[in-house]
This record gives sequence, C-alpha cells and structure tokens, in this order.
Amino acid sequence: AQSVAQPEDQVNVAEGNPLTVKCTYSVSGNPYLFWYVQYPNRGLQFLLKYITGDNLVKGSYGFEAEFNKSQTSFHLKKPSALVSDSALYFCAVRDMTSGTYKYIFGTGTRLKVLA
Amino acid sequence: EAGVAQSPRYKIIEKRQSVAFWCNPISGHATLYWYQQILGQGPKLLIQFQNNGVVDDSQLPKDRFSAERLKGVDSTLKIQPAKLEDSAVYLCASSLGPDLNSPLHFGNGTRLTVT
Repeated sequence: AQSVAQPEDQVNVAEGNPLTVKCTYSVSGNPYLFWYVQYPNRGLQFLLKYITGDNLVKGSYGFEAEFNKSQTSFHLKKPSALVSDSALYFCAVRDMTSGTYKYIFGTGTRLKVLA
Repeated sequence: EAGVAQSPRYKIIEKRQSVAFWCNPISGHATLYWYQQILGQGPKLLIQFQNNGVVDDSQLPKDRFSAERLKGVDSTLKIQPAKLEDSAVYLCASSLGPDLNSPLHFGNGTRLTVT
C-alpha cells in the first residue's frame, strides 16, 4: 500500500534557524511526492512537488525539499525560519496504483517558530 | 484567480440531523474532490469527480453520505443522518485535471460539529 509517514507531531525552531520537517514514504514504483501547508482555519496550500529530475526541489515561500531514494525520504527544509512559517505541514504521495492517482496525506507536523 | 469557495464555514447540528455543504471550484477545473479532515489527522478522500462523473468514491460511507456535481461545476456533499464521529472539517479541492502535474487547490473548509 502507498503511504507517507511524518514521524514528528510538532517541531519547534527559533526564528532565523534552519528548519526541517521530516517525511518518509512507501510506494511501489516511482514516487510522486508533495508538500502542503495549512494555516489556522484555512484549507491546504500547495508548497512544492517532486515528480522526477533534481533531488532538491524548490517551492513557495523559500521552502525546498530533498528527495532521497535510498532513505525513502522527502524532508521539507528552509534555511532561515520565520515566525509566519508557523503552521501545519502535510506530506503527500499520489497513489499510482489507484487508477485515479489519488493523494494520500500524512498525519501532519505542526511547526512552531519561536521569536 | 478566485479560489475554491465553500459554504457554510461552520455548522453545528445534532446527531441524526442532516446537513449539506456546497463547493464552487476554480473556473475551468475539471476535477473536484471532497476530503474529510478529522482533528489530528491528514485529509481523507471521500469522493473525486471528473467533470460531472464520479471516478472514486471508495471511501465514502454511502449509507449516510452522498455527493453530486450537476453540470460539472458546483458540488454539494450531504450527510443524512449525521453521527457524532462525522465531526470534522470538510474540505473541497479542485485541480485542472487528474494528471500528476496538477496540484490541488483547497477551499477553507466547513467545520462540522455533531452534538
């Protein structure tokens, strides 16, 4: 079965420090991986995706993610965190076995950036 | 461009009552999704439409949930009768198509509380 795991419920980081939000995946075949962010009382917003190509993917708001096939990971990173980055982050994979390529979301990681 | 519109934002009902949610996707988006997001969990797909046809409703509790997308634009999701465990945020999302390069665009959701 296709799945993603986000091992941390919450990540705390000081403003200005680098941040990492972890995601590991389990898929059959090539993975199609995504990161979405959810601010309070809002829907999810697309940040970035990995389909193929470079292992380092750049996205919105200065975020990037590193695809590592040997470790089956797709960690979200940012060199310098902002207080406004505080939100809920979801990793997702598209289920290539479903015929409709439906998204399977992780349980989310709450990022708290401290001033 | 205008985003995905959902209404109402909040709804409180008693168990065994019925409720309906409305979604207007981004203009031109052929694919429409309804997700259920229970507190502390990632979004779970309930139903996916391609234009006005259902392509995936495998996780929709069909004894109480129904959805339609007449004319391939707006959609409504109904619950009848509601149970306590239906308390969640119901998110509507749309994309240009089901292909891998089309990210999801989410509305702000409807928070349902069943008492």
